[in-house]
Parts: sequence; C-alpha cells; structure tokens
Amino acid sequence: QKEVEQDPGPLSVPEGAIVSLNCTYSNSAFQYFMWYRQYSRKGPELLMYTYSSGNKEDGRFTAQVDKSSKYISLFIRDSQPSDSATYLCAMSPDTGRRALTFGSGTRLQVQP
Amino acid sequence: EAEVAQSPRYKITEKSQAVAFWCDPISGHATLYWYRQILGQGPELLVQFQDESVVDDSQLPKDRFSAERLKGVDSTLKIQPAELGDSAMYLCASSDKLGRGNTGELFFGEGSRLTVL
Repeated sequence: QKEVEQDPGPLSVPEGAIVSLNCTYSNSAFQYFMWYRQYSRKGPELLMYTYSSGNKEDGRFTAQVDKSSKYISLFIRDSQPSDSATYLCAMSPDTGRRALTFGSGTRLQVQP
Repeated sequence: EAEVAQSPRYKITEKSQAVAFWCDPISGHATLYWYRQILGQGPELLVQFQDESVVDDSQLPKDRFSAERLKGVDSTLKIQPAELGDSAMYLCASSDKLGRGNTGELFFGEGSRLTVL
C-alpha cells in the first residue's frame, strides 16, 4: 500500500463548478501538506501549502488538512478551463529532510 | 523569475544505451532533488543532494543509475544501460536552505522526458 493515496480521475466538471480533490495518507509523521498543479508536459508548481491541521484559503482555492483522519482536501471554487491540469498532493514529515512524498495525481478537466 | 533549468527536454534512446540528464537549480538553492515520474503517476524521489553531498539515494537503482553534484551547483543524472521500464519524465527540483522563513517549497524544472525503445 502506498503512503499517499489519490484518486487518479479523470474528473470532468462544467465551468463554474466547485471541485473537491482529496488524498489520504498512512504516515502519521507527515506534518507539511502541499498541493501542486501540473500542466501537461510541464513540471509541477506549488499551489497551496499547509502546516499540520486546519484550513488555508487563497483566492478560489481552499486547502484542508484533517490529521486525525489522515485526510487532506483541495477545493476549487468557480472553476475555470485554465484550471484543467493534474493536481498532485504532496507531504513530508519535516522541512529538515524536505523531500516530498507525492500522490499519483488527479486529472481535472473543466469544460467551458 | 529564477527557474530550474533541465536538458534535454526530450530524449529517445535504444535499450542498453547510456543517457544523461543535466539540471541547473535556482541560484543559491542548496538542496537538489531528482524525481522520476512515470506517465499517470506522481513523482518518486530518486536522489536528494544537500550541497555536494547525497542525503538520500535509497530509491536510486544503483546498478544502472548514478547522480552527481560535484561543485554543489548543477547536477547530472546518468542511466547506463537504459531499460524499457526507464521511460518516464525525469524531474529536477531545488529548494532553499532552512532558516529563511521559507515553506520548504520545491521548485521544479520542466523535466526531461525519456523514451526507451
């Protein structure tokens, strides 16, 4: 079993929809949680960063971490065709080591 | 804007040949990572450098893969001999030192896509 599980999708939604992306993990030592966005044939880019449990909002994006359930989520409000990409969750036990463990990615398609 | 540079972007090679990838991290970034991303999967760490020293190479197939960062700046990842299962995107990333109030964000290059025939 992988340390980080993520539904690969693909997920297809109409423009303007609210999107929910999720990951579960098994390593209770994970403290730092990130969401990366990866466009086709490009490298991943950081979208959201959260430390420990709680919520964080940035524009149309909200990241949630529930450490008790080992479950993290990314919500996208008013989704746009430009949001079409693969979304990767990533996490690490501490910034000392830094190397991230990634989920397999969820491919999102927002239809105009 | 500072970027992680990688080359080549695309490489097609035959099985049993040697292949090499190059990465130049963001200036001043002490930590450099090589990840492998198979199509439809998330990136998996191959090797992590802190300056010129290897911090973690536990997932690097050392019988055929090697990585170096001789002067603690740019890095080379080599595969010899290449196998069909090595077809993937090879991503380089870098991050800043601790203690500067940074989040530990990894900055990725655009990757080198390898196809082994």
